[in-house]
Amino acid sequence: GAVVSQHPSWVICKSGTSVKIECRSLDFQATTMFWYRQFPKQSLMLMATSNEGSKATYEQGVEKDKFLINHASLTLSTLTVTSAHPEDSSFYICSAERQGPLYGYTFGSGTRLTVV
Amino acid sequence: RKEVEQDPGPFNVPEGATVAFNCTYSNSASQSFFWYRQDCRKEPKLLMSVYSSGNEDGRFTAQLNRASQYISLLIRDSKLSDSATYLCVVRTGNQFYFGTGTSLTVIP
Repeated sequence: GAVVSQHPSWVICKSGTSVKIECRSLDFQATTMFWYRQFPKQSLMLMATSNEGSKATYEQGVEKDKFLINHASLTLSTLTVTSAHPEDSSFYICSAERQGPLYGYTFGSGTRLTVV
Repeated sequence: RKEVEQDPGPFNVPEGATVAFNCTYSNSASQSFFWYRQDCRKEPKLLMSVYSSGNEDGRFTAQLNRASQYISLLIRDSKLSDSATYLCVVRTGNQFYFGTGTSLTVIP
């Protein structure tokens, strides 16, 4: 089935540093990937839609200069949290949509970011 | 109004019980509906898609009511391993909208 790999699974960083999270579709090509953030006891909130070869589409209230998204290939999207602050601590999850006969929407395993 | 509304619970039920969750959506143009299961600190995993005709997978039954704009999930003969958060997800156009999740704890 469709597999989406997300790395790292957890990261602790100092305030002011940047963190890059990778999302890879392992056995299918994903022209579109999605990035979500989830705070404790809350639902997933879509941050942005990542489109291969073009600029990401950000949801209202999400700072595009802070959350840099790059989707340079059909199997890889990256989210970079720049100048991280403690309030950026959250669970970040990517997902990818598989088209065709095996249509599906699969999530990565998530990245737990803690900014200290 | 939120795109998707879901009772957060928590639902605490004894083993073997039947439990049902509902979820309402606001956009009548929504075209796809799903139930996901999310375990603590893990990613959501697809439990089942929801069709107008209703669909069943073992102890799980999902229903869609387009007229009233809600979807439901029924779990029969609850197991301890069913304890998790259940998210309803609605696709409208190219956007996916998530409910807040319903927390289920099955008690021995």
